[in-house]
Amino acid sequence: DAGVTQSPTHLIKTRGQQVTLRCSPKSGHDTVSWYQQALGQGPQFIFQYYEEEERQRGNFPDRFSGHQFPNYSSELNVNALLLGDSALYLCASSPFGNQPQHFGDGTRLSIL
Amino acid sequence: AQSVTQPDIHITVSEGASLELRCNYSYGATPYLFWYVQSPGQGLQLLLKYFSGDTLVQGIKGFEAEFKRSQSSFNLRKPSVHWSDAAEYFCAVVSSGGYQKVTFGTGTKLQVIP
Repeated sequence: DAGVTQSPTHLIKTRGQQVTLRCSPKSGHDTVSWYQQALGQGPQFIFQYYEEEERQRGNFPDRFSGHQFPNYSSELNVNALLLGDSALYLCASSPFGNQPQHFGDGTRLSIL
Repeated sequence: AQSVTQPDIHITVSEGASLELRCNYSYGATPYLFWYVQSPGQGLQLLLKYFSGDTLVQGIKGFEAEFKRSQSSFNLRKPSVHWSDAAEYFCAVVSSGGYQKVTFGTGTKLQVIP
């Protein structure tokens, strides 16, 4: 039984570009959350998707957007990349309304 | 708003010694509390969780944590640390309800010396 899988594992972009990160939830899970973890910090909640809609959002600008597909997989899109967007982006999944969330290994995004 | 404080940024212990990592939370109702561990370059692995009931919870790898409502604390303990426990540890609180948002502390980095 595969857990949460994220792709790619590493990504290098330049300022102003756009990026898309992907996440496949654990089997049986229908809710996907995204987190940003800057170096030396704890993960910060970006948003959560359920039934293909954004249900909750953290304190992140509109440059951060997402999508959830009918098979529950999800994408995180970041536009107009800034140097400060360099971080580990973590995806987590769970059955709706249930804990704990299961985390993937993340995508390391570096902005030059 | 919910929040988590981990007052120790970095802790060093000798292999075989006991360990206690501190966590204080702020939440209006009975919280769901978690401890996660993260090895370098990896995602988060759940060590243990508290939802309700017995305030002393057992987790994987020999870890345990005690929920103390009066102190708003959920400290993580291990009686004898192994070199493989070196990692970063995160305490987290989750809001109740359907759309559950997880709030993490800033983490405690554990170094184990032989």
